Parts: sequence; structure tokens; C-alpha cells
Amino acid sequence: GAVVSQHPSWVICKSGTSVKIECRSLDFQATTMFWYRQFPKQSLMLMATSNEGSKATYEQGVEKDKFLINHASLTLSTLTVTSAHPEDSSFYICSAGEFGQGNSPLHFGNGTRLTVT
Amino acid sequence: QKEVEQNSGPLSVPEGAIASLNCTYSDRGSQSFFWYRQYSGKSPELIMSIYSNGDKEDGRFTAQLNKASQYVSLLIRDSQPSDSATYLCAVSLLSGSARQLTFGSGTQLTVLP
Repeated sequence: GAVVSQHPSWVICKSGTSVKIECRSLDFQATTMFWYRQFPKQSLMLMATSNEGSKATYEQGVEKDKFLINHASLTLSTLTVTSAHPEDSSFYICSAGEFGQGNSPLHFGNGTRLTVT
Repeated sequence: QKEVEQNSGPLSVPEGAIASLNCTYSDRGSQSFFWYRQYSGKSPELIMSIYSNGDKEDGRFTAQLNKASQYVSLLIRDSQPSDSATYLCAVSLLSGSARQLTFGSGTQLTVLP
């Protein structure tokens, strides 16, 4: 079945530094990938839609200059949290759908637990 | 108004019983409906998908969709302790080859041995 790989699975960084998270579709091409954030005891909240070869679409309230998204190929999207602060500590999850499959459900990566100290 | 609503629970059922999870959505244009299971600290994993009215069965799981009532449910038969998790209902509008999901807040299920 379709597999989405996300790396790293967890990261601890100091306040003010930047962190890059990678999301790869391993056995299918994904023109679109989605980035979600989940705080403890809460549901997944969509942050942005990552489109291959074009600018990402951000949800209302998500700072595009803080959460940089690059989708350079059909199998890779990256999310960079710039100048991270403790309030950015969260569980970040990417998802992707299979290229050309109209009713294909999304497949999720294993998530990245970010802790900013 | 929330777009996808679920009872947060917790819902507790004894082992072997049927667990019933419910979800309502507000956008009548919704086309695709999914149930995901999420264990604590883990990413969601797909349990069921359903696109047309009626029932869809897969093993111990049955999804039910009623677009007129804007209602989708998940039944888990012969519940096992390993089914204890948070179940997320997700709804999507038609958007091409990949789907942008709106998630409910999830229902926490505990299956008691």
C-alpha cells in the first residue's frame, strides 16, 4: 500500500533556531501534500496545502513566513519552522494522496514531535 | 459552527461488544468520508473510507453514510482492547487526486477487558 515517510520523528531545538521536516511519498507520486499540526488532546488542524512546483496555500492564521513549505518534486515536501518558539511545540503530520487517483484517501506520515526549549 | 462534529467521549464498551461512533458534517457538498484511528502519540491510520450512501463493511468495521442527514457512523463489532484509541471522522470536498480533509475532534474509545 501507499507509504508516506516523515523525518525526523522527533526533534528538540532551542528557541530561535529553525527546524526542517521532510515528507516523502515512497511508492507513489503526490502532486499535493498537506501539513497538519496537532496539539495535545486536540484534533488535527490543517496548516497548509503543498503543491508541487508552486507556492503553498496556507490556512487562515498560519504565518507563511514562519512555516516555510517547499514541494520541489512529486515525492518530497518540506516544512521549515523558522525562529521556533516554545509555543510552536506540537505534533506535525504530513499527508499525501496518490497521483491520478480520484477517490484515493490520504495517507499519513508518522508525524514529527517538535519540542522547542 | 464546527464543520465536522463528533462526541468527544470517552466511550467505554466491554470487550466483545459493539462500539458505535457517530459523526455529523455541515457541508452538503462533501463527497468523501473517512474514519481514522489514532493511538496516543501516533499518526492517524485509515480504517474505512465511504463515498456513497449505505453501509460498507470491512472485517469487524462497518461504516454507514446518510448524506441526506449529513451523518456518518462507524460500528466496531467484537470490540477488542487493542481497539482502544481515538477515532477521527474526516470529510472532504471533491478536490482532484488528493483530498483535503476536515477532521472532527475525535471520539476516545476504551474497550474494557
